[in-house]
Amino acid sequence: EPEVTQTPSHQVTQMGQEVILRCVPISNHLYFYWYRQILGQKVEFLVSFYNNEISEKSEIFDDQFSVERPDGSNFTLKIRSTKLEDSAMYFCASSSDSLGNQPQHFGDGTRLSIL
Amino acid sequence: QQQVKQSPQSLIVQKGGISIINCAYENTAFDYFPWYQQFPGKGPALLIAIRPDVSEKKEGRFTISFNKSAKQFSLHIMDSQPGDSATYFCAANYNTDKLIFGTGTRLQVFP
Repeated sequence: EPEVTQTPSHQVTQMGQEVILRCVPISNHLYFYWYRQILGQKVEFLVSFYNNEISEKSEIFDDQFSVERPDGSNFTLKIRSTKLEDSAMYFCASSSDSLGNQPQHFGDGTRLSIL
Repeated sequence: QQQVKQSPQSLIVQKGGISIINCAYENTAFDYFPWYQQFPGKGPALLIAIRPDVSEKKEGRFTISFNKSAKQFSLHIMDSQPGDSATYFCAANYNTDKLIFGTGTRLQVFP
């Protein structure tokens, strides 16, 4: 079964540094998402992306965050200047249609640790 | 209004028993209610989902019961197995692609 692939599985970064989390969505999917899960807490929506632009973002997704689909297969989340509170598990998801019609499929996440 | 409240936080069930996890919501505009299963070190995986036009949906041992008037929905796992031990999240959505997750229930099924 096709999978959403995320790399790296664990990223350790110094506070203030830039970090890029990478995702390869399922190949025929058109809708892309990032969620995060702080340890022991619920999964929170960050951003959705369709047709090469952000379709929705949460209040968490401030100017320090950006997303990009640099080519036909990758989808990235960049955090410009990391803070301690950015430490979390970041999940990428994709779907073949909008949520009303098709489910979102999640990757296994990247654990981001900010020191 | 955007929250989905989930209970219990943790649940211990004997093998063969029924596991029941409950969720409640405030926003009556929600129109899609999925349940996700998450194993340690893995991402959430869709288990089963329901829309408010039906009161129950069953897939194998997993059943969602939906009470629109009470704004509640629940997941029932029949004949619970040790392999069902995982964290379960309910979620809700309306008219967007943003899933709003509950706080999660850690289920442990003992042989």
